[in-house]
Amino acid sequence: GAVVSQHPSWVICKSGTSVKIECRSLDFQATTMFWYRQFPKQSLMLMATSNEGSKATYEQGVEKDKFLINHASLTLSTLTVTSAHPEDSSFYICSARQQGTYGYTFGSGTRLTVV
Amino acid sequence: SQELEQSPQSLIVQEGKNLTINCTSSKTLYGLYWYKQKYGEGLIFLMMLQKGGEEKSHEKITAKLDEKKQQSSLHITASQPSHAGIYLCGADNVWNQFYFGTGTSLTVIP
Repeated sequence: GAVVSQHPSWVICKSGTSVKIECRSLDFQATTMFWYRQFPKQSLMLMATSNEGSKATYEQGVEKDKFLINHASLTLSTLTVTSAHPEDSSFYICSARQQGTYGYTFGSGTRLTVV
Repeated sequence: SQELEQSPQSLIVQEGKNLTINCTSSKTLYGLYWYKQKYGEGLIFLMMLQKGGEEKSHEKITAKLDEKKQQSSLHITASQPSHAGIYLCGADNVWNQFYFGTGTSLTVIP
């Protein structure tokens, strides 16, 4: 079945630094990938839709300059949290839709802690 | 965006009790997914419903989609501590964006 690998699974960084999270579709091509954010005891909120070879579409209220998304190939999308602050500490999860199919595959998530 | 409202927001039940979680959409659903999750962990896919009136069951969990395809319910029979977690419904819109519901936190007291 379709597998999405997300890396790292957890990361701790200092305030002011940048952190990159990778999302890879291992056995299929994903023209579209999605990035979500989750705070404790809350649901997963869609941050942006990432399309291969074009700019990401951000949801209202998400700072595009802070959360840089790159989807350079059909199997890789990256989310970079720039100049991270403690309030960026959260659980981030990606998903990918296999080209030509119906259904979404989710990564295992990344827990980011900014100290 | 797709508005998916879940109720209740949180639920505490005694082990062995039945419970129901609802997911209501502001738009017609073309595919409704149910997931279970614990914060900071990945999603566990439970079921997907597509047709109006469809009902699916797996072990002690039953999910239904109403005829109008705007509301779904998830029913757990004889709840166990292992059922505890966050339950999320999800659906995609005409632009192929996948949104989650507001979530329901379930606690099962032994």
